[in-house]
Parts: sequence; structure tokens; C-alpha cells
Amino acid sequence: GAVVSQHPSWVICKSGTSVKIECRSLDFQATTMFWYRQFPKQSLMLMATSNEGSKATYEQGVEKDKFLINHASLTLSTLTVTSAHPEDSSFYICSARLLGRQGLNTEAFFGQGTRLTVV
Amino acid sequence: DAKTTQPNSMESNEEEPVHLPCNHSTISGTDYIHWYRQLPSQGPEYVIHGLTSNVNNRMASLAIAEDRKSSTLILHRATLRDAAVYYCIPRGVGGTSYGKLTFGQGTILTVHP
Repeated sequence: GAVVSQHPSWVICKSGTSVKIECRSLDFQATTMFWYRQFPKQSLMLMATSNEGSKATYEQGVEKDKFLINHASLTLSTLTVTSAHPEDSSFYICSARLLGRQGLNTEAFFGQGTRLTVV
Repeated sequence: DAKTTQPNSMESNEEEPVHLPCNHSTISGTDYIHWYRQLPSQGPEYVIHGLTSNVNNRMASLAIAEDRKSSTLILHRATLRDAAVYYCIPRGVGGTSYGKLTFGQGTILTVHP
């Protein structure tokens, strides 16, 4: 199956600093990637939809200036958490869909997730 | 998005079959029923999906009720590696949700040796 890789797997940063998380589709191209956030013992919450070459679409309640998304190529999307605070500590997960396979009957591929801890 | 109801948790013994139910009574006629699972500290993993007919793949089987208001994921012989949270997700074209996967709370499956 298609592989989606996230980097780093975990990161610890100081409050007030920014952290960049990369999401790469290793063996396929993805025009659309999705970013999720998951707090402990909760389900995944969609943060934003990242489209190659255009601005990301953010879900209601997600601050676009705090969570910067860049999707500069068909294989890479990045999420930057700016001015991170302890409440941003969470498990961040990206998902990608194969180029040309956007239909409802196709599966999504997920990265392994990035554990962010802000101290 | 169609609402789903799944048991909070289920338990099984290794090597036994597991039937994970999901109610999705508000599903629309064009929504596919997707199942994903999430192992501890990992991203979700695709399991199976279907529209109307029952489906089988190497991981599991999906039984869809005739009225499509419910479905059941079947793991034929549970292993310890199947311990995960299982999510049932109707996926459709409604509103702005095209292509998105909206995760509910899922079912925590515990497999005993």
C-alpha cells in the first residue's frame, strides 16, 4: 500500500517557539492532504485540508495564523505550529489521498503521527 | 455527515471471531461505509469499505444491513495485533465534507491471549 511518512515522530519544544511537522507521500502523489489533531483518549479532529499549490482550508475553530500549512509539492505538506503553548501539546496526524483517486470509494493513507509536547 | 453509534469497548479472546457493530441510521444513499483502525500511538489504518454488498479482504469482512442503517466489521480470528480502536465512518458528498473522514469515538477492542 501507499506510504505516508511524518517527521519528526515526536518533538519537545519550549513554549513560545515554533515547530514544523512534515508529511510526505513516499511512493505516490497527493494533491490533497489532511491534518488531524488528537488529544489523549479522544478521537481525531480534522484541522485543515491542504491542497497542493493553493491555500489550505481550515475547519471551524482552527486558527489559520497559528497552524500554518504549506503544500508546495505533490509529495510534501508541512504544518507549522507557531508560538506553541502547552495546550497545543497533542498527537498530530496527516493523511493523503492518491492523485487521481479522490472518489468516495477509495481509501486514505495516514502518517504515523507526530507527538508534540510543549513545555 | 451521517452520525454513527459504536460500542465504547469490546473484548475478545485470541483466535476467536470478533463482530464490531456500527449504527449509521442517517446515512445517505451515496455514502460509502469505511472502517479504519488505530493502534496505540499510531496513525489510523484503512481496514475495509463498502456501499451495499458485503465485502471481504485479507484483513476483515464487512457485512452491511439491507437497509444500510448498520454494518458489522468481522475479524475472523482475532490476534493480539488486532487490539486497536476501530472507527466506522460513512463517507459522502454532503456539503463541504466531500472526501473528508470524520472520526467518531470508535470502539476500543481488547484481545486477550
